[in-house]
Order: sequence, then C-alpha cells, then structure tokens
Amino acid sequence: DIQLTQSPAFLSASVGDRVTITCRASQGIERYLAWYQQTPGKAPKLLIYAASTLLGGVPSRFSGSGSGTEFTLTISSLQPEDFVLYYCQQLNTYPITFGQGTRLEIK
Amino acid sequence: EVQLVESGGVVVQPGGSLRLSCAASGFTFDDYTMHWVRQVPGKGLEWVALTSWDGFTTYYRDSVRGRFTISRDNRKNSLYLEMSSLRIEDTALYHCAKASAHWYDGMDAWGPGTTVTVSP
Repeated sequence: DIQLTQSPAFLSASVGDRVTITCRASQGIERYLAWYQQTPGKAPKLLIYAASTLLGGVPSRFSGSGSGTEFTLTISSLQPEDFVLYYCQQLNTYPITFGQGTRLEIK
Repeated sequence: EVQLVESGGVVVQPGGSLRLSCAASGFTFDDYTMHWVRQVPGKGLEWVALTSWDGFTTYYRDSVRGRFTISRDNRKNSLYLEMSSLRIEDTALYHCAKASAHWYDGMDAWGPGTTVTVSP
C-alpha cells in the first residue's frame, strides 16, 4: 500500500497567517492527490484534486502543489473557519489511501 | 443539491452480518463511481471499497475483501455495502462518497455516515 505521511500532525497558527501542510507519498503517485477539509462531527469536504486544481466554490486562499512523492497544501491567509482537520488522499494505486491528518489550531 | 444519506448502522456481535445503504439524490447517480469510506471516531479516514457506475467493476481494501460486498441499484439511486464476518476492528462511522467526474479526482460529495459497532 502507498503510505502518505502528513506533516506536521498539529499546527498552531493565527488568523491571517500563511501556513503549509506537506504530504509525502511512499512511492510516486504522479499528480493523483486530493486534499480534504473536515470539521469535527461532519463529513470531509474535497478542496483540491489533481494536486493543484481547486474545486469550484473553494476559497482562493487554498492552493495545492506538487507531483510524484511530495505535495503541499497552502492556506494564504487563515480565516477562523479554517482551524479544522486536513487530509491528503492518493488515488494513483489501489487501495486508495489517506494521510493521517493535520489538525490546524488557533494559537 | 447533491445529497447522500446512509442508513443501516447498528450494534452487532463479532461474526455477524449487516447491510448498509446509501440513498443518493441531486445528481445522475448512474454516471458516477461510488465509494465507501470509514472513520473510527477520533482517528483517520480509511477507504473501504468502490464500484464503477455500472456495478461491474469493484475494488476493496485487503482487510475487507471476501467479507464485504459493494453493490448498487441504479434504478433506485442506491449504494449498498453487505458486511459479513464482522470484526471488532470494523467498528467505525461508514460514509458513502461520490467520485468526481473522473474517479481519480477525488470524492466530491459525502454523506454524514452511519455508525457500525461490532461488540461482544
């Protein structure tokens, strides 16, 4: 199985900060990577697919980059509603796998 | 508006069986690949299975293959997960999820989930 390692697991930041979450794959996955946001008690929401394509309706402060084994999710100016959980997901190879998650906390 | 609503989650003993359902609306159901994804409370996400638009192609994670069966009824806009030989480690919140237009572009809609508890 392809392992996805997200870092950091926890990230403390302030409203208005720029933050970056990294997702590293144990083998190359081209650009078959998606990012999700999950608010506690709710289902995940797709933010970005194909490593860098923003889903319609997702605020432009979110961006993704990378290919192969290293990917990043950047939030350019944190808003209060952004302090939740984020997961990466690879869809290059079965089984589809997720990273362990990054919890974004208010400093 | 796309809606996915799961049902069927209950408390069941190890070795038992269960069928989960997912009712879909707001999109052309038979155009899309569909998934089941589970989540242990406080833990991460784990993909379980997928079915192609026509139900003819299915994939499973190793730990459920041979015990779980994913299926769909396009006439009823419904997705199913038949679960047998249940184990304690199958305890989780089970979400159905709609694939994006290209299945490899992620899952663009999710249901709130239904809880399966496997306990003696």
